[in-house]
Amino acid sequence: DVKVTQSSRYLVKRTGEKVFLECVQDMDHENMFWYRQDPGLGLRLIYFSYDVKMKEKGDIPEGYSVSREKKERFSLILESASTNQTSMYLCASRLDREGQPQHFGDGTRLSIL
Amino acid sequence: AQSVTQLDSQVPVFEEAPVELRCNYSSSVSVYLFWYVQYPNQGLQLLLKYLSGSTLVKGINGFEAEFNKSQTSFHLRKPSVHISDTAEYFCAVSDEETSGSRLTFGEGTQLTVNP
Repeated sequence: DVKVTQSSRYLVKRTGEKVFLECVQDMDHENMFWYRQDPGLGLRLIYFSYDVKMKEKGDIPEGYSVSREKKERFSLILESASTNQTSMYLCASRLDREGQPQHFGDGTRLSIL
Repeated sequence: AQSVTQLDSQVPVFEEAPVELRCNYSSSVSVYLFWYVQYPNQGLQLLLKYLSGSTLVKGINGFEAEFNKSQTSFHLRKPSVHISDTAEYFCAVSDEETSGSRLTFGEGTQLTVNP
């Protein structure tokens, strides 16, 4: 089974802090993704990565950056956290072959005070 | 561009009743279709997927879905639900042009199974 592990289930940070959310997958998947999930808005793609050191903006990249230095790890960075970034963050990975599904971690519920 | 519409935001049913969760999509190219389930405070788990071939797809936990190309639909069904099926369900689509790497999700359907 694919295992996608997000480092924290719950996280509380303060406005203006630099926040790191970590995601690790154990299946040698090329593609990795960061989403945020908010009530009534569904899942929105923040950033994704086709492979190591590659990154692409998703639909809502403002206020975020990412890092993919190793294939198994994809980090989401909130450069200066704001209260409107309070949300559930979901990481996913995927084998880069046609028709392959994305596999999700359990999510990080982030609160910015 | 593709889009996904889940026609019901909430579906309440009684235990052991049948259920159908509706999903329509729009895309100009051939698509791959997925249903995911999300239990409270968890990530998304793949229920089933349609890539090609038979239009009736069976998944985990007794769920199945039928791909209808002419109606651009991919409805999820279960003949008899349990309390434990209470969760949010997401329909998602990707297309051959992107090799499926990006998914477009519907806004989700909350299924609540009552005793």
